Amino acid sequence: DQQVKQNSPSLSVQEGRISILNCDYTNSMFDYFLWYKKYPAEGPTFLISISSIKDKNEDGRFTVFLNKSAKHLSLHIVPSQPGDSAVYFCAASRAPQGGSEKLVFGKGMKLTVNP
Amino acid sequence: DGGITQSPKYLFRKEGQNVTLSCEQNLNHDAMYWYRQDPGQGLRLIYYSQIVNDFQKGDIAEGYSVSREKKESFPLTVTSAQKNPTAFYLCASSIYLRAGELFFGEGSRLTVL
Repeated sequence: DQQVKQNSPSLSVQEGRISILNCDYTNSMFDYFLWYKKYPAEGPTFLISISSIKDKNEDGRFTVFLNKSAKHLSLHIVPSQPGDSAVYFCAASRAPQGGSEKLVFGKGMKLTVNP
Repeated sequence: DGGITQSPKYLFRKEGQNVTLSCEQNLNHDAMYWYRQDPGQGLRLIYYSQIVNDFQKGDIAEGYSVSREKKESFPLTVTSAQKNPTAFYLCASSIYLRAGELFFGEGSRLTVL
């Protein structure tokens, strides 16, 4: 049973435009959400997170939106740059405290930003 | 610079052989983790360790073993009992009470011939 779903395996956008990456979850107990970015043959790097007490968190060009009633979150990248081309993983946890062994990852989405 | 070092980056193994993947961190993190990534799949937790001399099974521990004799080191052994060992293996660490903000190594790609 997949608790964190990234239903679109890939997305292609033009440089300068907005990239929107979506993530759905099924477990209503999740209350902490993260996005990781991964380049080929490298480990993922933490990008941005959001707690369920918020509906938006922004960090530079990256903004994550959380819709708890829809069990949906999205990552917006504005403006998109070719260096953003990577696989993006959505992850969810029951609490920001405690161990990362509680993290559940989605399957990832490949973003391609074309010059 | 602080970080996580995994070795080797690429490894080939014959069926029936055990192989050990190294993971070392100098971030002074208490918790360390091993994940496996397969094509089109998310990261799946193999084993994790919160403190030295203690470790717990993750979601897919069968066919794997670990040790945590030092805070800095968390090696993973892929045994011959692992039925489908070809995969990309990722080691990570974190401050234990900060779930989610994992620091990953660059990964080790294991291919069984």
